[in-house]
Amino acid sequence: DAGITQSPRHKVTETGTPVTLRCHQTENHRYMYWYRQDPGHGLRLIHYSYGVKDTDKGEVSDGYSVSRSKTEDFLLTLESATSSQTSVYFCATAGGGGVAGELFFGEGSRLTVL
Amino acid sequence: KQEVTQIPAALSVPEGENLVLNCSFTDSAIYNLQWFRQDPGKGLTSLLLIQSSQREQTSGRLNASLDKSSGRSTLYIAASQPGDSATYLCAVMDTGRRALTFGSGTRLQVQP
Repeated sequence: DAGITQSPRHKVTETGTPVTLRCHQTENHRYMYWYRQDPGHGLRLIHYSYGVKDTDKGEVSDGYSVSRSKTEDFLLTLESATSSQTSVYFCATAGGGGVAGELFFGEGSRLTVL
Repeated sequence: KQEVTQIPAALSVPEGENLVLNCSFTDSAIYNLQWFRQDPGKGLTSLLLIQSSQREQTSGRLNASLDKSSGRSTLYIAASQPGDSATYLCAVMDTGRRALTFGSGTRLQVQP
């Protein structure tokens, strides 16, 4: 267990409102990731970080931004939520002293945009 | 762009059967391949990780193989049990980018 906490775990919001999801890790892992999971699409990468203040886009980054000001926290922001962003969002980390490239996942955050 | 495909999408077997889940990927320049298990409403649990230089990994009743040249991996589950019922996800990490590309998963139901 890599000590990953996602918050909030459940959120219902309205179209057009800003939303921030937080991922907190206690393992000092270098890499952090945000994925979304939708029926029929599996998990798709939104953004990832390879160090403090170092981030890059994934396949489905439109409408999302991220920030990583500390090793332990990776924030995902929806500036103006849309119904298409209703999904389950997973945070993951990697890069500790264990097996190279092994990812550990949080429990997920379920977001509903009405 | 890496693409990962898992076959079959769903599988139902009686308890005790040995079974094979298949995963294929389009770009053989991978860093590793990982198999995960996901229970309904839960996060992902890592089952096995195969580095690009390895051919297989084993953990208990699970064995995963990797054929990088043909872009294929299989997950073999021996003597299946009802507790094995879950969705199994295959994912590959490319050499250039340290992020995983996932398949859509195989939903397994083991009947008692």
